[in-house]
Amino acid sequence: SQQGEEDPQALSIQEGENATMNCSYKTSINNLQWYRQNSGRGLVHLILIRSNEREKHSGRLRVTLDTSKKSSSLLITASRAADTASYFCATRAPSGNEKLTFGTGTRLTIIP
Amino acid sequence: ETGVTQSPTHLIKTRGQQVTLRCSSQSGHNTVSWYQQALGQGPQFIFQYYREEENGRGNFPPRFSGLQFPNYSSELNVNALELDDSALYLCASTDRGGRGRIGELFFGEGSRLTVL
Repeated sequence: SQQGEEDPQALSIQEGENATMNCSYKTSINNLQWYRQNSGRGLVHLILIRSNEREKHSGRLRVTLDTSKKSSSLLITASRAADTASYFCATRAPSGNEKLTFGTGTRLTIIP
Repeated sequence: ETGVTQSPTHLIKTRGQQVTLRCSSQSGHNTVSWYQQALGQGPQFIFQYYREEENGRGNFPPRFSGLQFPNYSSELNVNALELDDSALYLCASTDRGGRGRIGELFFGEGSRLTVL
């Protein structure tokens, strides 16, 4: 079963604009990660935020985490056509193996 | 490139048949996980192998089985295929106890299985 939901399910913006995607989850976590997937191919890790962190940056990416609300957001600034892809959040439980529980994904389309 | 390779990339089977999918993990990675991704959905955890032993299993029936070899490569076997098994099967590796300890997974490009 999916851990949670991502919002919106689909997002279309003009190149150069910022894109924001949200993720909600249901149970306690060790960390939350964001992955990108191009057209049904493999997933590429973007960024990881630990449960004791509130914000993290990597290049044009900014991730926030609110454990009290069990939610996270991914902001992509100055979007490019090459950012067109599906974006998934994934959570790792506090203990046990490296199993990730994925959300349902946001399909992002950047219009040139 | 993640260094994780999967084969075959595409295959078509009929109901009731059996399939074996293969995965070579990134060099130095000792942990391999398998995920099933149905069309339009997020990946779902099937199971994980660490040092040749199953180390966690998702909500999948016993006809989904796996192996991990001494070189850390892995196989996913599915018996008695059903139409709903049609999906993209993703393999991911990490280095438990090493740099990957924080949990980042490195995914292969997947094997797309169609069951007719």
